[in-house]
Amino acid sequence: DQQVKQNSPSLSVQEGRISILNCDYTNSMFDYFLWYKKYPAEGPTFLISISSIKDKNEDGRFTVFLNKSAKHLSLHIVPSQPGDSAVYFCAASLVLPSGGYQKVTFGIGTKLQVIP
Amino acid sequence: DAGVTQSPTHLIKTRGQHVTLRCSPISGHKSVSWYQQVLGQGPQFIFQYYEKEERGRGNFPDRFSARQFPNYSSELNVNALLLGDSALYLCASSLVSRGTIQPQHFGDGTRLSIL
Repeated sequence: DQQVKQNSPSLSVQEGRISILNCDYTNSMFDYFLWYKKYPAEGPTFLISISSIKDKNEDGRFTVFLNKSAKHLSLHIVPSQPGDSAVYFCAASLVLPSGGYQKVTFGIGTKLQVIP
Repeated sequence: DAGVTQSPTHLIKTRGQHVTLRCSPISGHKSVSWYQQVLGQGPQFIFQYYEKEERGRGNFPDRFSARQFPNYSSELNVNALLLGDSALYLCASSLVSRGTIQPQHFGDGTRLSIL
């Protein structure tokens, strides 16, 4: 049961344009959502997160939007740069009342290529 | 500052053997999680440990076990290896705070190949 879905395996964008990566989830109990970036031969690197009580979070060129009613979130990268070329993972988490995660569920990733 | 370190980086085993993978978290991080990533998939949650106790477990058989030591480092053990256990094993550490999420910081993984 794929609770976090990234339906686009790849995306190509021209440098300077906007990159939009999409993610859908099925479990309405998730209360945090995260995006990670992964380069080959490296572990995933945290990019940005959003709480389920918010609908937008922005950090520099990266903005995450959350639509709870649609169980959908998206990552916008503006402007896109060649160094952004990587695999992007959407992830969702439940938070234990005692602190920490219960577990983090990842999507299968979207490979972004930013063309110079 | 040192990030999450994992050892070894690569490992080749044969079916039926067992393996131990090691992880040292970022200094000050008390939570460690283990993930398995097979080619073309996202990381799959195996275990989370916090304060030396198992706090979460994914859908993996009992051949998979882990522990966390007093210095918060961790080991993942896999017994009776199968070909399907070939994967990248990722360790992630994080701070812990009540009611909020702290991002996990990942190591570069151990690439396990089963022959």
